[in-house]
Amino acid sequence: DVKVTQSSRYLVKRTGEKVFLECVQDMDHENMFWYRQDPGLGLRLIYFSYDVKMKEKGDIPEGYSVSREKKERFSLILESASTNQTSMYLCASSPPGQADTGELFFGEGSRLTVL
Amino acid sequence: AQSVSQHNHHVILSEAASLELGCNYSYGGTVNLFWYVQYPGQHLQLLLKYFSGDPLVKGIKGFEAEFIKSKFSFNLRKPSVQWSDTAEYFCAVRVYNAGNMLTFGGGTRLMVKP
Repeated sequence: DVKVTQSSRYLVKRTGEKVFLECVQDMDHENMFWYRQDPGLGLRLIYFSYDVKMKEKGDIPEGYSVSREKKERFSLILESASTNQTSMYLCASSPPGQADTGELFFGEGSRLTVL
Repeated sequence: AQSVSQHNHHVILSEAASLELGCNYSYGGTVNLFWYVQYPGQHLQLLLKYFSGDPLVKGIKGFEAEFIKSKFSFNLRKPSVQWSDTAEYFCAVRVYNAGNMLTFGGGTRLMVKP
């Protein structure tokens, strides 16, 4: 089974703090994604990556950055957390090309509260 | 950019009732369509998907969905729900040959009363 692991399930941070959310997948997937999930808004794509050191902006990248130094790891960074970034953050991965079933494999989520 | 609409935000049903959750998308070209489910406290998982062929697709746990191209719809159905179907359901669309980016709807929270 594909396993996508998010290092922190629950975090509480203060406004202005720098926040790191880590995600690791164990299936050698090229594609990795960060979404945020908010009630009534579904999942919105923040950033995605097709390869190591490669990143692309999603629909709501403002206030976020990402890092992909190794294939299995994709980190989401909030440089200066704000209260409107309080949310559930979901990491996902998927294989590319011929192996692409279109299915995303999700982690369990990191619930961030910014005070 | 494509958008996905799920018109029912909250649905409450009794066990054995029939279920239909609506999903409409805005893109006019070739799309891949998905339904994901998130059970309480668990991660999102794929329920079913449509790529091509028979527009009626069957997924896990007795769910099915019908792709109606003329209506830009991909509604999810189940003839008889169970208490264990209580979950949040997300419809998602991916534009064909445009990478792996899925656009998700706002979700429908289903509660099944025992």
